[in-house]
Amino acid sequence: NAGVTQTPKFRILKIGQSMTLQCTQDMNHNYMYWYRQDPGMGLKLIYYSVGAGITDKGEVPNGYNVSRSTTEDFPLRLELAAPSQTSVYFCASSYLERINEQFFGPGTRLTVL
Amino acid sequence: KNQVEQSPQSLIILEGKNCTLQCNYTVSPFSNLRWYKQDTGRGPVSLTIMTFSENTKSNGRYTATLDADTKQSSLHITASQLSDSASYICVVSADYGGSQGNLIFGKGTKLSVKP
Repeated sequence: NAGVTQTPKFRILKIGQSMTLQCTQDMNHNYMYWYRQDPGMGLKLIYYSVGAGITDKGEVPNGYNVSRSTTEDFPLRLELAAPSQTSVYFCASSYLERINEQFFGPGTRLTVL
Repeated sequence: KNQVEQSPQSLIILEGKNCTLQCNYTVSPFSNLRWYKQDTGRGPVSLTIMTFSENTKSNGRYTATLDADTKQSSLHITASQLSDSASYICVVSADYGGSQGNLIFGKGTKLSVKP
């Protein structure tokens, strides 16, 4: 199993540009999550999904959108990039969300200039 | 306000030595507490998960303790190795119901193991 994979690993955007961060898991997990990690700060939940077709906002959803058309994929969309969205983005997945561990992808480092 | 505080912020130890990392939380109602290891440039990897009724849980040279009364947890690393150099993140889950789990992440302790 590849686990949770994310693409791209690095990206530089100009203000106002848009992009999609890709996330795929091959563990047949129902639950998937997007987090951002700012320097020296704890991870913050952006969006999460409990299954295909179901998504919900986390703590910091503004400026982002998600979709979940399949169990495996959970892309994160930035429509109008802003410098405040410069961060490292982690996708994670889990099976039994409350107790079992979340498996994290390697992250995407995004810089908005 | 739900918070997770970790100490120290950073720590340098010599290879072979033991160390203990601390986590204090004010999350309520409590569901479970997790410790993650995050290598530089990588995603966090789970070390242990403890529920309210568990006091101690080990994973190799890592031993986590939980005191739900004082809302404190510790992660003890025995006979440290160079590969233990990483950030260690304490994550507490609040039990509000629903499916999100409401995870509150600490800022992490950055551990450096020197030869």
